[in-house]
Amino acid sequence: EPEVTQTPSHQVTQMGQEVILRCVPISNHLYFYWYRQILGQKVEFLVSFYNNEISEKSEIFDDQFSVERPDGSNFTLKIRSTKLEDSAMYFCASKAEYSIPETQYFGPGTRLLVL
Amino acid sequence: GIQVEQSPPDLILQEGANSTLRCNFSDSVNNLQWFHQNPWGQLINLFYIPSGTKQNGRLSATTVATERYSLLYISSSQTTDSGVYFCAAGEYGNKLVFGAGTILRVKS
Repeated sequence: EPEVTQTPSHQVTQMGQEVILRCVPISNHLYFYWYRQILGQKVEFLVSFYNNEISEKSEIFDDQFSVERPDGSNFTLKIRSTKLEDSAMYFCASKAEYSIPETQYFGPGTRLLVL
Repeated sequence: GIQVEQSPPDLILQEGANSTLRCNFSDSVNNLQWFHQNPWGQLINLFYIPSGTKQNGRLSATTVATERYSLLYISSSQTTDSGVYFCAAGEYGNKLVFGAGTILRVKS
């Protein structure tokens, strides 16, 4: 069964450094999402991406964050200058266009620790 | 925007017991999903169920869209069922809004 993959599974970085989290969505999917979960809290939406542009973003997704689909298979989340509070699990998800069911498929997550 | 509330926040069961988890949502939705977060933090998709009833082994789910709630039933619970169960709801193509989750502990 096709699945969403994410790399790396874990990343440790120093405050102020740039990080890029990578996702490979399911191949025929056209809607892409990033969510994050701070330890012990609920999963929060960051950004959705469709037709090569951001379709919606949350208040969390400020100028330090960016997303890109650099080629036909990858979807990346960049944090330009990490802060301690960016430490979280980051999930990528994808969905097919005009799909029934309307299921979003989640990757296994990248656990980011900012020191 | 959509709001999602889950109850109970915590649940402790003896192995073999049955349980019901509830999810209330504030608006009509096109998407409602139940997830199990395992000890490694992965979100395992259990059901896509914006309406109706589905069953998968010992798990089943029912969503009554007109009354804006969904129920997840776990029968004959096992220790491997432990973890956090999340309900998430959304409109077509849009973000999922997650509830705060139910922490389930199954004791042997």
